[in-house]
Amino acid sequence: KQEVTQIPAALSVPEGENLVLNCSFTDSAIYNLQWFRQDPGKGLTSLLLIQSSQREQTSGRLNASLDKSSGRSTLYIAASQPGDSATYLCAVTGANSKLTFGKGITLSVRP
Amino acid sequence: GAVVSQHPSRVICKSGTSVKIECRSLDFQATTMFWYRQFPKQSLMLMATSNEGSKATYEQGVEKDKFLINHASLTLSTLTVTSAHPEDSSFYICSAHLIVGEKLFFGSGTQLSVL
Repeated sequence: KQEVTQIPAALSVPEGENLVLNCSFTDSAIYNLQWFRQDPGKGLTSLLLIQSSQREQTSGRLNASLDKSSGRSTLYIAASQPGDSATYLCAVTGANSKLTFGKGITLSVRP
Repeated sequence: GAVVSQHPSRVICKSGTSVKIECRSLDFQATTMFWYRQFPKQSLMLMATSNEGSKATYEQGVEKDKFLINHASLTLSTLTVTSAHPEDSSFYICSAHLIVGEKLFFGSGTQLSVL
């Protein structure tokens, strides 16, 4: 059974700092990995999707990497801003097309 | 980008009543939609896969008679929580693929509170 772990559960950083959010998964037989953003009481917004054959994806200040063999992914946020404060979830799609989510990392960027 | 609309965003009901949640794909057709449940500070748990024109596929441990799913058209799936109880209070979210295997688009979620 696939398990997705995100540690730490919460993170607080000052504005402007570059930061890395980590995600690990137990079964490397994945179809893709996605990073999502969730604001309190809201749905999810897909940030980046990395196919299993890819190693990284970039969008603006965000860069996500994938090391499938070691079961790890990182989300890099450059020059963090207070507006980046949210919960960031990673999820992997298995061969059955189902997503398995981590519990998320709640990020707080202090002005 | 693709938009998934979910309604209502919040509902408070008395124990024993039934609540229907709608999930619509606004600018694309979705043969498959997914329903998730999320408890505070927990990950999303897949409840069921809603298939247009056929029965939903429920995950292990999810009561199909409790959580009725109907996917009668290519743009609408509904989740009905029947005879809701306080333990059903949770955040329910639906999602759909624009293209299978690609990004998932999520509704804005429904916070259900059962008194």
